[in-house]
Amino acid sequence: DAGVIQSPRHEVTEMGQEVTLRCKPISGHDYLFWYRQTMMRGLELLIYFNNNVPIDDSGMPEDRFSAKMPNASFSTLKIQPSEPRDSAVYFCASREDRGDYGYTFGSGTRLTVV
Amino acid sequence: GQSLEQPSEVTAVEGAIVQINCTYQTSGFYGLSWYQQHDGGAPTFLSYNALDGLEETGRFSSFLSRSDSYGYLLLQELQMKDSASYFCAAKDSNYQLIWGAGTKLIIKP
Repeated sequence: DAGVIQSPRHEVTEMGQEVTLRCKPISGHDYLFWYRQTMMRGLELLIYFNNNVPIDDSGMPEDRFSAKMPNASFSTLKIQPSEPRDSAVYFCASREDRGDYGYTFGSGTRLTVV
Repeated sequence: GQSLEQPSEVTAVEGAIVQINCTYQTSGFYGLSWYQQHDGGAPTFLSYNALDGLEETGRFSSFLSRSDSYGYLLLQELQMKDSASYFCAAKDSNYQLIWGAGTKLIIKP
């Protein structure tokens, strides 16, 4: 398996622009997570899906953030409009049902909003 | 509230042994996981303890004491490539992970 695949690896955009991050989880993993990591706030859970259904989006910072999972092999995280404070590394992760074998993280998308 | 406490930074010498501690407070608890993250990389899963005791995987071992709400990661025969941040994460009653802030391990030659 190729693991969790995220794209793009790096994104530089201007404030106010729309940004879309993409994720392909590991086949057969029932859960998908979107995390954000910054030096100041560490690793923050934004939202997670179970069998393509959003379960908890309480970590989504504000309405500018939205996430979808139209099928078991694809998810997007969208920021519209983007702001400089959104600059961070965004990780997607997936896991099997109980997760005893851990989460598998993608390589992340480093987002810079200027 | 739910929280995990771990030291922000630990320094050790190449070839030595180092222990990274983690205490947790969660609503429901199923187990404790450890992840490694190199600078610029993604977190990678190291170990998971559901039961009390020591789990060994090569040079790395992880320990859990449920009665003390405490665990640790033990790294032996330290190598320079072990320089990274190490995160403990507790699985709560919803099977979701609550993460610690991470411990930066600095290894000196």
